Amino acid sequence: DAGITQSPRHKVTETGTPVTLRCHQTENHRYMYWYRQDPGHGLRLIHYSYGVKDTDKGEVSDGYSVSRSKTEDFLLTLESATSSQTSVYFCAISESKISGGHCEQYFGPGTRLTVT
Amino acid sequence: AQSVTQLDSQVPVFEEAPVELRCNYSSSVSVYLFWYVQYPNQGLQLLLKYLSGSTLVKGINGFEAEFNKSQTSFHLRKPSVHISDTAEYFCAVSRPLCGTSYGKLTFGQGTILTVHP
Repeated sequence: DAGITQSPRHKVTETGTPVTLRCHQTENHRYMYWYRQDPGHGLRLIHYSYGVKDTDKGEVSDGYSVSRSKTEDFLLTLESATSSQTSVYFCAISESKISGGHCEQYFGPGTRLTVT
Repeated sequence: AQSVTQLDSQVPVFEEAPVELRCNYSSSVSVYLFWYVQYPNQGLQLLLKYLSGSTLVKGINGFEAEFNKSQTSFHLRKPSVHISDTAEYFCAVSRPLCGTSYGKLTFGQGTILTVHP
């Protein structure tokens, strides 16, 4: 199994409070991703990173920000949580070798966030 | 942009029966295709992938999938399922641009496979 951990694994917070979720990898992979999973929607990309301090938006980035100051850590922040951000959040990593072109992503165990 | 449609949201099947989970994709360029499995309260695990070459791809746990370019499909099959195969299955597509920021995955909505004894 790829060495990916997410913390916390469960969190309940109130509307309007800031929340930070952490993804930590021990694989030294270049690419890191944050997804949210909601019933009927599959997984949707929030933000991704293609290197330290290099990040970009995904398809559902409104209300979220990210930071990556070290290769191994990718933080997802909800500046002011809303009930619509209640979801399960998954982090993924990828090495995306040009030679060999693997492209597959490896997923963490997820964080279940409830905003009341 | 690419998109993925999983044609069945739920598939019930009896143990030892064959199963097919259907996936269609839309893309104006060539793609890489993936199937992931998610067991209850766990993350996603890669089942198999199609990058190029043979259109029949074999994965873990006895699953296989066939890439059909003319029908833009990538259906997942297993000849005989077990109770332990009960899970949610996701089809995903990416552009074949590994090493760039374009190698992002787009997921289908998921298919819940329930295997009954």
